[in-house]
Amino acid sequence: GDSVTQMEGPVTLSEEAFLTINCTYTATGYPSLFWYVQYPGEGLQLLLKATKADDKGSNKGFEATYRKETTSFHWEKGSVQVSDSAVYFCALRLRDNYGQNFVFGPGTRLSVLP
Amino acid sequence: GAGVSQSPSNKVTEKGKDVELRCDPISGHTALYWYRQSLGQGLEFLIYFQGNSAPDKSGLPSDRFSAERTGGSVSTLTIQRTQQEDSAVYLCASSFWELANYGYTFGSGTRLTVV
Repeated sequence: GDSVTQMEGPVTLSEEAFLTINCTYTATGYPSLFWYVQYPGEGLQLLLKATKADDKGSNKGFEATYRKETTSFHWEKGSVQVSDSAVYFCALRLRDNYGQNFVFGPGTRLSVLP
Repeated sequence: GAGVSQSPSNKVTEKGKDVELRCDPISGHTALYWYRQSLGQGLEFLIYFQGNSAPDKSGLPSDRFSAERTGGSVSTLTIQRTQQEDSAVYLCASSFWELANYGYTFGSGTRLTVV
């Protein structure tokens, strides 16, 4: 079945460090890929999305590229901030299958220290 | 409304009681989804609605769980005879059906604690 794998963490690092969070997927079709972020005490917010191979999602300094050849959608940020501390969920959704729900990864908890 | 609204934000209930969780989606969004997030766990899909109908109820964990949606808008998730393992954050999301490929908008969730 369809699945998403991501590093679970927790990941702890200092402010202004460079960070990559990995996400790989298995899908029976051609998925759209997403990163959602959940800040403490809040719901999920869409952070990045890519609907086809080689698309690059970019938002708030985060970037992720849809790599079909490696079935991956890793995100990276050049300089993390304390405010980036959150749980990050990678997700896929099969295209043109409107009844299909998202398949989420387990989430990666990030703690950025000042 | 401007976002997906869920109520209550927090609910503490005694084991064996019934609870109702409410979701107000973004106005006009035809698709509505319920997820559960248990402590330290990822997101578990429960059910989705297309309009008022729920074609897929397979994600509901037991027959104590039910959900309905009326008027293509508000949805209620009901848990009967709550158990401690039902304690979780219940998240609702909505989208335009034809734009679901571009992401959902999530509410802030209802934190349910069964004591």
